[in-house]
Amino acid sequence: GENVEQHPSTLSVQEGDSAVIKCTYSDSASNYFPWYKQELGKRPQLIIDIRSNVGEKKDQRIAVTLNKTAKHFSLHITETQPEDSAVYFCAARRTGANNLFFGTGTRLTVIP
Amino acid sequence: ETGVTQTPRHLVMGMTNKKSLKCEQHLGHNAMYWYKQSAKKPLELMFVYNFKEQTENNSVPSRFSPECPNSSHLFLHLHTLQPEDSALYLCASSQETTGVAKNIQYFGAGTRLSVL
Repeated sequence: GENVEQHPSTLSVQEGDSAVIKCTYSDSASNYFPWYKQELGKRPQLIIDIRSNVGEKKDQRIAVTLNKTAKHFSLHITETQPEDSAVYFCAARRTGANNLFFGTGTRLTVIP
Repeated sequence: ETGVTQTPRHLVMGMTNKKSLKCEQHLGHNAMYWYKQSAKKPLELMFVYNFKEQTENNSVPSRFSPECPNSSHLFLHLHTLQPEDSALYLCASSQETTGVAKNIQYFGAGTRLSVL
């Protein structure tokens, strides 16, 4: 089965700096990679996703990169703001399967 | 709100109690999921239902019993739980389309369960 590893487990940055969270996966058949944000006491919410036919996707201050050969993908947040503070989860999924395999999460703290 | 509602939001139960968690989705989706979220562990998929049929049971102990009476409702029946079952239980739903990898899962707010 799929194994998704996520690093770091905690990350603190100054407001305005960039934050990068990295994930690796083991199943070469995985081809869909979403990122979820979970604020304290709230539900996980999708913030960005990428399919394996592209190497990068950007949405305002958030971007995701995918290296399919190396089986790793990363979340990049630029110009961080205090409201970016949350736990971020990466996940991987293969075509035809419902299952999302999640990483262990990264607790991001943006210091004002 | 994402259209996925879970009740109750908080539940405290003894090890001999029987209780049920409820999930309802108003998104017209055809797949529903139960996840367990424990501290410092990945979200663990417990059960998957496609079109009301259970398609996944990830080695979940029998003290957890799911029920999906229709594609909009999902229950998790609990009995004789253990303290280590204390966690946040999340429900999710998605619209599954054959041959398409990207089927976004929308989560409910979860039920915080404490087993004493």
